Amino acid sequence: EDQVTQSPEALRLQEGESSSLNCSYTVSGLRGLFWYRQDPGKGPEFLFTLYSAGEEKEKERLKATLTKKESFLHITAPKPEDSATYLCAGYPGGSNYKLTFGKGTLLTVNP
Amino acid sequence: NAGVTQTPKFQVLKTGQSMTLQCAQDMNHEYMSWYRQDPGMGLRLIHYSVGAGITDQGEVPNGYNVSRSTTEDFPLRLLSAAPSQTSVYFCASSYGTGGGQPQHFGDGTRLSIL
Repeated sequence: EDQVTQSPEALRLQEGESSSLNCSYTVSGLRGLFWYRQDPGKGPEFLFTLYSAGEEKEKERLKATLTKKESFLHITAPKPEDSATYLCAGYPGGSNYKLTFGKGTLLTVNP
Repeated sequence: NAGVTQTPKFQVLKTGQSMTLQCAQDMNHEYMSWYRQDPGMGLRLIHYSVGAGITDQGEVPNGYNVSRSTTEDFPLRLLSAAPSQTSVYFCASSYGTGGGQPQHFGDGTRLSIL
């Protein structure tokens, strides 16, 4: 059974304090790993797609990386507006259209 | 572009009632899907569609029906609401049918079953 596990469940940082969120997966034949941001009362908002081990993508203070077993979302010098729940999801590829989501990491950045 | 639009935003039902959650997208996306999000459970796929006239079951399809008569619309029907269906429901769409494209989500329907 495909599984995606995110850690930690919650993370509290001071503004400017860099850290990383982890997403480990057991998705057969993973063809894509997605990162989303979700604000309270809103739907998930797409951040990144990673397709192969070693791939990295950046957007402002966020950088996502992928290995064969896990993905990291690095947050450099976070600001309060980065506070949100971050979700990752694995896509097995082929004719299986079903994304498997992790439960998310709730990030709080204090000023 | 409005993106993915879900209506209603909030709904309270009594056990046994039926209702339809509406989802419309204006991006001409082939792929559409419905998820439910429960505390501590993450997003779980209910049903999905890879094009008009084609639907399939996801992880938790029981108690829900879908149809896809147009590219734009993908309604989710609760046949006989149960308290276990209290949840936040998200509709999403993406370009193509391969599943490897990022999905665009609506802002959800918050449903309470009494």
